[in-house]
Amino acid sequence: DGGITQSPKYLFRKEGQNVTLSCEQNLNHDAMYWYRQDPGQGLRLIYYSQIVNDFQKGDIAEGYSVSREKKESFPLTVTSAQKNPTAFYLCASSIGGGGEQYFGPGTRLTVT
Amino acid sequence: QQQVKQSPQSLIVQKGGISIINCAYENTAFDYFPWYQQFPGKGPALLIAIRPDVSEKKEGRFTISFNKSAKQFSLHIMDSQPGDSATYFCAATSSGGSNYKLTFGKGTLLTVNP
Repeated sequence: DGGITQSPKYLFRKEGQNVTLSCEQNLNHDAMYWYRQDPGQGLRLIYYSQIVNDFQKGDIAEGYSVSREKKESFPLTVTSAQKNPTAFYLCASSIGGGGEQYFGPGTRLTVT
Repeated sequence: QQQVKQSPQSLIVQKGGISIINCAYENTAFDYFPWYQQFPGKGPALLIAIRPDVSEKKEGRFTISFNKSAKQFSLHIMDSQPGDSATYFCAATSSGGSNYKLTFGKGTLLTVNP
């Protein structure tokens, strides 16, 4: 089945630890995205990548880092510099720009 | 100018009724308007989308109405069912090839009572 997978579904970390969220797609899409979702806030763009080995900051990139070494994979690291890391994180992909984005099932990160 | 304003924040409808969610935008460069449906604990799923060359698009019980001059678009869910209970997000973008950002509304929590 084609789609986007995110793992794990739930993730718990202690404050001060970096944590990496996985996102894999087998849709052969060039572009991939990371969003953060908080109650009442909608979806906010963290980082996006148009093509392998290239990525751009979104609206709330501070405290996050990404890499895009393979077309299929776009991992997100939540660093200890992110002041409020507890959230629902969504990965998405698209064929190119300006059109449909398809979302993964999300990872709920809880930092205590 | 990049905002998309969505209303209402929450909506309760009886089974069989019509659910209406509205969105307004400011950026006249926006020319692609998708709606996403999200169930609790799941990722959003693309529901229906419209481009401004048409004023209405219908897919089953879901209809998007688009008013270019008012810079508004809305989602109508006819014969609403309890299974439609979810959060709905409108979004907008300009479909020029170099633009990769979708601007989302803040969402509407729809509850359809049986």
